[in-house]
Amino acid sequence: ETGVTQTPRHLVMGMTNKKSLKCEQHLGHNAMYWYKQSAKKPLELMFVYNFKEQTENNSVPSRFSPECPNSSHLFLHLHTLQPEDSALYLCASSLPGGDEQYFGPGTRLTVT
Amino acid sequence: GQQLNQSPQSMFIQEGEDVSMNCTSSSIFNTWLWYKQDPGEGPVLLIALYKAGELTSNGRLTAQFGITRKDSFLNISASIPSDVGIYFCAGQNSGNTPLVFGKGTRLSVIA
Repeated sequence: ETGVTQTPRHLVMGMTNKKSLKCEQHLGHNAMYWYKQSAKKPLELMFVYNFKEQTENNSVPSRFSPECPNSSHLFLHLHTLQPEDSALYLCASSLPGGDEQYFGPGTRLTVT
Repeated sequence: GQQLNQSPQSMFIQEGEDVSMNCTSSSIFNTWLWYKQDPGEGPVLLIALYKAGELTSNGRLTAQFGITRKDSFLNISASIPSDVGIYFCAGQNSGNTPLVFGKGTRLSVIA
């Protein structure tokens, strides 16, 4: 595998479910990011991790819980989501400094 | 918060035509980036710009970092069908600050 991978690619979950999104980067980067992409809105930064430490939480509701066990892996744990949380969730990674970010293919999440 | 205005929002062009799109901001950025997103995929980095006035090419793509640091342009020459997608600009004030993204320009190429 090369680049940034995300699993699953598609996820449908009910509002009472608990699920997790996984991201893995094979680029030797130290910073990882979660973004939310909704139709007709700019990419919204959710969380940033630098060297496994969370350095940014962009006022994200607590029903989204990130986890970064090491510099190559990033998870987003989901519970009691709302239908308006349906979106494409993108993971990205970069070297420290965070300018050239490389994105995964995303997880298309539908909350029913 | 900071915003980037991309224009046009969408464009339809004939194959072989040149394309130009731009991104403007009311505040200064020290790095400008251009990404392309295909349907069902994540954004792919096309060009990164680090210096005001800089002009950088990547194949048929050319991007410029505006001299005022408040804008950037992307040009695509001799468009082909695989150029179809959404093009996003992004700006960064300084290292370790979040990227700010535009809403994108959706490009359609008619063969």
